[in-house]
Amino acid sequence: AQSVAQPEDQVNVAEGNPLTVKCTYSVSGNPYLFWYVQYPNRGLQFLLKYITGDNLVKGSYGFEAEFNKSQTSFHLKKPSALVSDSALYFCAVRDGDYKLSFGAGTTVTVRA
Amino acid sequence: ETGVTQTPRHLVMGMTNKKSLKCEQHLGHNAMYWYKQSAKKPLELMFVYNFKEQTENNSVPSRFSPECPNSSHLFLHLHTLQPEDSALYLCASSQESLVPGAFFGQGTRLTVV
Repeated sequence: AQSVAQPEDQVNVAEGNPLTVKCTYSVSGNPYLFWYVQYPNRGLQFLLKYITGDNLVKGSYGFEAEFNKSQTSFHLKKPSALVSDSALYFCAVRDGDYKLSFGAGTTVTVRA
Repeated sequence: ETGVTQTPRHLVMGMTNKKSLKCEQHLGHNAMYWYKQSAKKPLELMFVYNFKEQTENNSVPSRFSPECPNSSHLFLHLHTLQPEDSALYLCASSQESLVPGAFFGQGTRLTVV
């Protein structure tokens, strides 16, 4: 089975500083990787995906993620965090047809 | 808005009640999903439907009963639930093989009393 891990339960940064949310993956074959964000009392919103191609993937709200095959990582990044980026972030991997396996989630808090 | 609509947004039910959650998508997707999100736990995939056929049931108790009458609608029928079933229930839809990713509804916050 394919899986992802998010090693940090929480990430705290000051507004304007770079934000990184970590994700590592374990797959056989080529991974399909995704990042989602969840604001309080809301569903998950798609941020970006890696299927193939460039290792740097750009997504919504100024986020990007870097696919690193040698380190089996797919970290989410934003150069300058906003208070409104405070949310729960999930990394996910396609695990067979019609199935996404999610990480446990990382709570991001951006302080003003 | 993601194009996936769930109703109701909030539901409180007793352990002897019967209720249903509804999910609707008009994105032209072929696959629909139910996920359970509990506090401090990863998202749990409950059911998958592809072209109205159930393709996955992740050992979900029979007190949860899904129904997919067509590719645009998905229901989750609930009966004799337990307090530990209180959670956020998320519906999602996707094209085949998930290449474009899955689109999620805003969820139904279920409280069992």
